[in-house]
Amino acid sequence: GQQLNQSPQSMFIQEGEDVSMNCTSSSIFNTWLWYKQDPGEGPVLLIALYKAGELTSNGRLTAQFGITRKDSFLNISASIPSDVGIYFCAGASGNTPLVFGKGTRLSVIA
Amino acid sequence: DTGVSQNPRHKITKRGQNVTFRCDPISEHNRLYWYRQTLGQGPEFLTYFQNEAQLEKSRLLSDRFSAERPKGSFSTLEIQRTEQGDSAMYLCASSLGLSGPAEKLFFGSGTQLSVL
Repeated sequence: GQQLNQSPQSMFIQEGEDVSMNCTSSSIFNTWLWYKQDPGEGPVLLIALYKAGELTSNGRLTAQFGITRKDSFLNISASIPSDVGIYFCAGASGNTPLVFGKGTRLSVIA
Repeated sequence: DTGVSQNPRHKITKRGQNVTFRCDPISEHNRLYWYRQTLGQGPEFLTYFQNEAQLEKSRLLSDRFSAERPKGSFSTLEIQRTEQGDSAMYLCASSLGLSGPAEKLFFGSGTQLSVL
């Protein structure tokens, strides 16, 4: 089946720093989505990508659909304490349901 | 609140008991999904519906699991003869249903199941 690898698994950063995380797939995807999940809650959609090379922003968040269609990147600029949480990438190809990575746990030190 | 609603939020049960969860999707969404999430993992797909039709089921969905969406609105997920390995967060999501099953999913807050 399709496998998604997210890295890093966790990261600790100072408030104000920029953050980068990525997701790679064992197969080609035609959809990449990025979600954030807080403890005890469901994932919340941040950004959706549908085209190779696409770069999309949502406030301080920017995500890119990799040219190879096997990877995607999420950047957070000028992190703040409320950015704390687990960030998941999700991808799919054809008519398959979304497959999720294992997440990147972000901690922000004030 | 017009988001995806799940009930109950928490369920504690003894091994061998049956449990049922309910999901109310966003009203104009035709598609409804069930995912399962265990600690330290991402959500794993279980099944999804287009209106009342169940279109796909994962191999994770053993014969003890059954999902229904009888009128194409709310859905229920039942687990019979629960096992400790069923302990997880069960997430429901919905989408417009205008393209493939990989379109934007909007999740509820989940039902946390603990099997003792």
